[in-house]
Formats: sequence, C-alpha cells, structure tokens
Amino acid sequence: AQKVTQAQTEISVVEKEDVTLDCVYETRDTTYYLFWYKQPPSGELVFLIRRNSFDEQNEISGRYSWNFQKSTSSFNFTITASQVVDSAVYFCALSEANDYKLSFGAGTTVTVRA
Amino acid sequence: NAGVTQTPKFQVLKTGQSMTLQCAQDMNHEYMSWYRQDPGMGLRLIHYSVGAGITDQGEVPNGYNVSRSTTEDFPLRLLSAAPSQTSVYFCASSYIGEGGNTEAFFGQGTRLTVV
Repeated sequence: AQKVTQAQTEISVVEKEDVTLDCVYETRDTTYYLFWYKQPPSGELVFLIRRNSFDEQNEISGRYSWNFQKSTSSFNFTITASQVVDSAVYFCALSEANDYKLSFGAGTTVTVRA
Repeated sequence: NAGVTQTPKFQVLKTGQSMTLQCAQDMNHEYMSWYRQDPGMGLRLIHYSVGAGITDQGEVPNGYNVSRSTTEDFPLRLLSAAPSQTSVYFCASSYIGEGGNTEAFFGQGTRLTVV
C-alpha cells in the first residue's frame, strides 16, 4: 500500500526566510507520481507540481523548488524568500501507475509573519 | 471552462438526515473521486469511479453511497448523517495521459456540519 508522511505539522517563519517542507513516501511500484498541492486560507486546493518516478531532475519555478530523491524516498519542497501570501497548508500526494487514487500526507501548515 | 463544480458550498444537517453532494466536471475525465478532509489527517478517499457505471470504495466509504450514470456527474449521498461526518468534502477528476497520471482537478469543497 502506498503511504505519504509529512512529519512537520506546522512551520512558522518571518517573511523573507526560506522554508523547506519534508515529504517521505512509500510504494512498491517502480512507476509512480508525486504531487504538491497548496491550500490557502480560502480553502481551495491549488496544484503546484507533478513529478514521475523516472524523472529525478530537481525543478525551480520562481521562488519554489523541489528536491526529488528516490534513494531516500523523499520529495521535499522549498519556498525561497517566503512571503505572507505563502501562508497555507501544503500537501504532498502520491499515485501509482495506472491507478488514479491519490494518497495524501497529513499536510504542513506554513505561517509567514510580516 | 468550469472545471469541477461542487454544490453546495456549505450545509448544516441534523443527525439522521440524508443529503446529496453534487459534483460535475466538464473536462471529459474518466476518473472522479470524493475525498474528505479532517484536521491533521490530510485528504482521505471515500469513493471513486473509473468511468460511467463503475464505482468502488476508497479508504473511508462507510455511511456514503455514490453512482456514476454519466461521465460528467458523480454525486455523493449521505444516507443518515452522523456528527462524525462533519468534514470538508472535495470532489476531484483526473485522467491518464501520454505522460502517465495527471494531477487531480478539485472542486471548491463543501463544508458540512452535522449537529
């Protein structure tokens, strides 16, 4: 069975600090997909990134970056120079090949103080 | 393009009442699912469907029914509401493209309170 663990429940930082969110996953499949979603205080779920298990190239998108390491089964997410608008709950999720079902971590609440 | 539309956004039920949460998508996705979100537990899968006429149970199916008569619609029925079903409910749709599993597209959510 697949499983996603986000060990950090809450993180509080001051604006402009960097924030790294940890995500560790378990799966028996060799082909799988990892996702990060953001849930701002308004409640909707916003898709941020998708990676497949064959692509370990790390990615940077503006102030966001992702570090995927199969050797440690981790898919960590970093917000550089955080802003108040980054305050949200962030979810890591996993799905296995040809299986639509998503398994979510418990989420990490990020609070960025001005 | 509306994406995934959920109604209602808010609902208060009395214990024992029944109701249906509506979900519709206009992207022709074959896969639709219902999740519930509770504090500290992330999103948990209630029921899912891989196409019209096909449904299956997820992680927490008890107390809920679903049906999928069309590709577009996937309603969730609470048979006899209980306080334990107080939660935020999300409907999602997705598909498998050339690059494999796509991200799930979520509705706006329904905040349900059972008193």
